[in-house]
Amino acid sequence: NAGVTQTPKFQVLKTGQSMTLQCAQDMNHEYMSWYRQDPGMGLRLIHYSVGAGITDQGEVPNGYNVSRSTTEDFPLRLLSAAPSQTSVYFCASSYSTGHADTQYFGPGTRLTVL
Amino acid sequence: AQSVAQPEDQVNVAEGNPLTVKCTYSVSGNPYLFWYVQYPNRGLQFLLKYITGDNLVKGSYGFEAEFNKSQTSFHLKKPSALVSDSALYFCAVRDLGSYNFNKFYFGSGTKLNVKP
Repeated sequence: NAGVTQTPKFQVLKTGQSMTLQCAQDMNHEYMSWYRQDPGMGLRLIHYSVGAGITDQGEVPNGYNVSRSTTEDFPLRLLSAAPSQTSVYFCASSYSTGHADTQYFGPGTRLTVL
Repeated sequence: AQSVAQPEDQVNVAEGNPLTVKCTYSVSGNPYLFWYVQYPNRGLQFLLKYITGDNLVKGSYGFEAEFNKSQTSFHLKKPSALVSDSALYFCAVRDLGSYNFNKFYFGSGTKLNVKP
């Protein structure tokens, strides 16, 4: 299994540009989520999904959109990038039953918005 | 609201010495607490978790954590540190969101430096 994969690894955008961060997992996990990691702030939850067609907001959803059309993929869209969105983005997935709350993280996407 | 705090930005220990990385929590209800480790340019990896039962939880790579309800703490420990333990460590608390999704709230992280 490849686990959780993310593309691209690095991206530089100009203010106002849009882009999509890709995330895929091959473990048949129902739960998927996006976090951003900023220095001194740990990871903060942006959006999450509990299955195809079902998404919800996390702590810091503004400026980001998500959709989940398949179990495997959970892309994160930035509609109009802002310098405040400069961060490292992590996708995670997990099973959905009982105490199966161990999350598997992707390697991250480092985004810089100029 | 659920939250955790990691009071130390950095911890320095010599190889072979015991290490402790501190975490305190603030939760409503029973706490579900976790430790994750992040190596450079990698995603987070699960180390261990406390849900209920024995206050001493054993995890991966020889790490353990002690849950202390009276002090609202969940400190990560290892009896003998290795240079390869050098990494960024995150404490987290789990809450249930919509659809019973496991929402995690992470601390700010503690950088562990183990010197030979």
